[in-house]
Amino acid sequence: EAQVTQNPRYLITVTGKKLTVTCSQNMNHEYMSWYRQDPGLGLRQIYYSMNVEVTDKGDVPEGYKVSRKEKRNFPLILESPSPNQTSLYFCASGRGTVQETQYFGPGTRLLVL
Amino acid sequence: GEDVEQSLFLSVREGDSSVINCTYTDSSSTYLYWYKQEPGAGLQLLTYIFSNMDMKQDQRLTVLLNKKDKHLSLRIADTQTGDSAIYFCALTGGGNKLTFGTGTQLKVEL
Repeated sequence: EAQVTQNPRYLITVTGKKLTVTCSQNMNHEYMSWYRQDPGLGLRQIYYSMNVEVTDKGDVPEGYKVSRKEKRNFPLILESPSPNQTSLYFCASGRGTVQETQYFGPGTRLLVL
Repeated sequence: GEDVEQSLFLSVREGDSSVINCTYTDSSSTYLYWYKQEPGAGLQLLTYIFSNMDMKQDQRLTVLLNKKDKHLSLRIADTQTGDSAIYFCALTGGGNKLTFGTGTQLKVEL
């Protein structure tokens, strides 16, 4: 089954404790992206990747890192989480460029205390 | 950057038509999308329209694009309780960014 998976689905952590949210897709997509969803703000793009070893900032990259060492994986790293990073995070993938249909993962709900 | 605005809530009766609106600022947007998010789930692409089109119909869904007013709408005919969800418009412009609207929560009442 074609899908985008994220782990964990739910995470509670404390300020400053490094964490990684994994994202994996099995559709051989070149394009992958991370978004955060906050009430009243919709989805905002954090980082995206056009292909292996190619990443670029979205609209809200501060406080986040990403890497794309393999085509199928695109982890989101929070080196020193802060409470304002409490949010619902979505990973997405698509063929080629952003104009192609993006397929979304189920989301990761993060609470930073 | 791009600003994409939607009203937060819409309530309709089952069987009526729903119209969800979206306004944007960047006239260079080339692809315009509508996504649906059901409770506890990710986003699902409903439909999209190219910027050189004015209208697209797909079964119960009709997308209208007014480029002059920078206004995009999604009409759902014969709205059902299963249509209750949050609806997001999204636009691509320059580069490879996708900008989402704030989302409209559609509630369908019996």
